[in-house]
Amino acid sequence: AQSVSQHNHHVILSEAASLELGCNYSYGGTVNLFWYVQYPGQHLQLLLKYFSGDPLVKGIKGFEAEFIKSKFSFNLRKPSVQWSDTAEYFCAIQGYSGYALNFGKGTSLLVTP
Amino acid sequence: DAGVTQSPTHLIKTRGQQVTLRCSPKSGHDTVSWYQQALGQGPQFIFQYYEEEERQRGNFPDRFSGHQFPNYSSELNVNALLLGDSALYLCASSAVGRDTGELFFGEGSRLTVL
Repeated sequence: AQSVSQHNHHVILSEAASLELGCNYSYGGTVNLFWYVQYPGQHLQLLLKYFSGDPLVKGIKGFEAEFIKSKFSFNLRKPSVQWSDTAEYFCAIQGYSGYALNFGKGTSLLVTP
Repeated sequence: DAGVTQSPTHLIKTRGQQVTLRCSPKSGHDTVSWYQQALGQGPQFIFQYYEEEERQRGNFPDRFSGHQFPNYSSELNVNALLLGDSALYLCASSAVGRDTGELFFGEGSRLTVL
């Protein structure tokens, strides 16, 4: 069975601080990995994705994530957050032979001025 | 270019009733997935429809059923509603051949069961 664990449920940062959100998963095979974001009042949207190749992937708005296969992790990072990054962040996995996305519980990020 | 549209946005039902939620996919998309998001949780996969057939189903009881129409729009039906069915129901669309997990989500239908 697949599962996704996001370690931080609520994170509060000041603007310009660095961000790292943890995501670990359990799955016995090859997976595709995703980070989705939901800004206040908006719908869920894709932030970045990893399928294969370079384990460091870059997404929109300066976000990046690193896939570490040995640790079953796909942590999200941003060197310097802005107030506009306040949002809910969801890590998700997709088993190679399936269509469903399995989401974590999400991390609520609040960036203060 | 219209994104994913869902209706209704909010609805209240009582236990035992039935509900139908509707979704129109993003233009150019032919695959529709439904997710349930309970308060404080991540979205949970209910099922996916492609070519008017249920292609994959998550761990939801048979009370949850769906349909996809020739124009790719979709409905989610829930029978014999329980209090625990109260949640945000999200529709997401994607395009076959590019089914890489890149989903486009609607705003959701918030169902409250009393």
